[in-house]
Amino acid sequence: DAKTTQPNSMESNEEEPVHLPCNHSTISGTDYIHWYRQLPSQGPEYVIHGLTSNVNNRMASLAIAEDRKSSTLILHRATLRDAAVYYCILISNFGNEKLTFGTGTRLTIIP
Amino acid sequence: NAGVMQNPRHLVRRRGQEARLRCSPMKGHSHVYWYRQLPEEGLKFMVYLQKENIIDESGMPKERFSAEFPKEGPSILRIQQVVRGDSAAYFCASSSKELSNQPQHFGDGTRLSIL
Repeated sequence: DAKTTQPNSMESNEEEPVHLPCNHSTISGTDYIHWYRQLPSQGPEYVIHGLTSNVNNRMASLAIAEDRKSSTLILHRATLRDAAVYYCILISNFGNEKLTFGTGTRLTIIP
Repeated sequence: NAGVMQNPRHLVRRRGQEARLRCSPMKGHSHVYWYRQLPEEGLKFMVYLQKENIIDESGMPKERFSAEFPKEGPSILRIQQVVRGDSAAYFCASSSKELSNQPQHFGDGTRLSIL
């Protein structure tokens, strides 16, 4: 699986937007970009995924660069409950879809 | 909310005992994945199962660990003769394969402590 690179940690003020970056310069044409997050003492939670076009759902938006070598997860209005480790993961459309977690970005929300 | 159910939430074993971790997937899901998270580390894939079949066990330690997903009942991750290094959080996830690239839904894990 292609590798992703994320900042180790980020901070954001409550009720402000948060942009979490992910670099994946070796992405292949069949790789989907998935985001999961893990809140303290819980299992990971699916957030969003996309292939080429930007995606929106009730939790977040995913902006994908035109060359697909990077993407950004956008939380439009951060709350204290969004404090978690966020993982950007590439999954091949032809693989068995096991998730390869990196170190992720630890997001701290400042009240 | 009939999500992925794991039990027990916490399990304490002495060195040399056996640990059995159970996972009931979401209703309608026939694909189960097990992951392990060591203290202060990320999650590592262990094994991927469909009903009665092991599809990928590339992340399973070669000895003492086994997994099954029988036709009826939950998936079981079994660790024989546990050692201190087995202390970790073990997470199970399930997915549906009707469509490709379906998200995995995780349980809240079993925290295994070895005395």
